[in-house]
Amino acid sequence: QVQLQESGPGLVKPSQTLSLTCTVSGDSIRSGEYYWTWIRQPLGQGLEWIGFIYYSGTTYYNPSLKRRLSISLDTSKNQFFLRLNFVSAADTAVYYCARWYASGSAGWFDPWGHGTLVTVSS
Amino acid sequence: SYELTQPPSVSVSPGQTATITCSGDKLGDKYTCWYQQRPGQSPVLVIYQDTQRPSGIPERFSGSNSGNTATLTISGTQAMDEADYFCQAWDKSTVVFGPGTKVTVL
Repeated sequence: QVQLQESGPGLVKPSQTLSLTCTVSGDSIRSGEYYWTWIRQPLGQGLEWIGFIYYSGTTYYNPSLKRRLSISLDTSKNQFFLRLNFVSAADTAVYYCARWYASGSAGWFDPWGHGTLVTVSS
Repeated sequence: SYELTQPPSVSVSPGQTATITCSGDKLGDKYTCWYQQRPGQSPVLVIYQDTQRPSGIPERFSGSNSGNTATLTISGTQAMDEADYFCQAWDKSTVVFGPGTKVTVL
């Protein structure tokens, strides 16, 4: 059974960099079948796709975050990473990692991690 | 950028049918999926590729997509179905989520 687990600091200061790790178990991120994804959700609000990465290193980013965003991976550790620069209070949210399956023009996220709350505050 | 709209809330009596809509320009030309998010939990996929139900999702969940509207239907709604439901589509290499619909089982 595939499981994803987010980890990283729960508190980041404004203008600094938010860094999170997603550790995957039960599947290999080198399998080539899936993309590995970050999604966030401000408390009490909706879901926002951040971006995803393929095992080859190919990335797709949300255009609204692209200039501050970097997603990378370490296949040897079966982990992928999120870095978001120059954060502000607007980046406070629960951050989820998830597996994206693409089939033709369809795609969906399954499963999701439990999520980790990141607060941006001084 | 592509946008999806959903009603903020839907109320349903136990045992009745809940219908949740998701609208977008020519949405029927794209594939839509749906996620259920219970309070304090992560989202769970309940419908993918418009009509497909993942393993473990009850048969009372069904989906359709045509024209500008995708629909999630919960037949014989149970108290455990009370949750937020989000639609999602894939457009021009970008993932788009709807704003979510809160389903209340009265």
